[in-house]
Amino acid sequence: EVQLVESGGGLVQPGGSLRLSCAASGFTFSLYAMNWVRQAPGKGLEWVSMISASGGSTYDADSVKGRFTISRDNSKNTLYLQMNSLRAEDTAVYYCAKDREYQYGSGHDHWGQGTLLTVSS
Amino acid sequence: QSVLTQPPSVSGAPGQGVTISCTGSSSNIGAGYDVHWYQQLPGTAPKLLIYGYTNRPSGVPDRFSGSKSGTSASLAISGLQPEDEADYYCQSYDSSLSEVFGTGTKVTVL
Repeated sequence: EVQLVESGGGLVQPGGSLRLSCAASGFTFSLYAMNWVRQAPGKGLEWVSMISASGGSTYDADSVKGRFTISRDNSKNTLYLQMNSLRAEDTAVYYCAKDREYQYGSGHDHWGQGTLLTVSS
Repeated sequence: QSVLTQPPSVSGAPGQGVTISCTGSSSNIGAGYDVHWYQQLPGTAPKLLIYGYTNRPSGVPDRFSGSKSGTSASLAISGLQPEDEADYYCQSYDSSLSEVFGTGTKVTVL
C-alpha cells in the first residue's frame, strides 16, 4: 500500500524558515516525480513545486521561486521542502503528491494527509 | 501562472446528474496537456478521480466521467449520491513547465 506521511509543519514567524518532510513507502520512490501542493484555509489547491525522479530537475511556482527549495533523498525514500523568507500568505496545509506514471503530466495518484504551516507573529 | 476556471458551485438532487466545466487556454489545455480531476471530501486530502480526461482509476464508480472539448474539459456525475458532496478540482500543466489547478467547484446534494 502506498503511503505518504508529511511532517514538519507548525507555527513560524514571518521571515522565518522551516523544512517539511514527506516519508514515502509502498512503491519504488526513486522511479517517480514528486510534488508539493498547498491549500490555504478555505481556499483551493495550489501547486508549489515538483522534482524529477532522480532529483536532477526541479520546477517551482512563481509564488515561491527563490524562497522554497524542493529536494529528495532516494536512499531514505523522503521528499523535502525547505521554506525560507516565509510570509503570512504561505499559511496553508502542505500536501506531498506522487506522480501517477513516469512521464510528465500524468497527474497525482497518491497524496499524503497534509501538514499545516502557519506563518504569524 | 495561469489558472483553470470552474464554476464555484453546482447542485442536484439525489439521482440527478451534474456537470462541472474546466476552462483553460492555449498555454495549458489547448497546448495538448492532459486534464485530471480530483475529489476532496471535507477535511481530507484530494483523491484522483479521473486522469487523462476520461480514465477512471480502479475503485472510482462509473457514475463519474470526463470529457474534453477544445480548451475545456468537463466532469459529469450521474446518479448523484449523498457521498458525492465534496469539492472538485481539475488540473493540467502549462507550457512554462508548471502545474495549474482549477478554481474548484463545490458540489451540493440537495
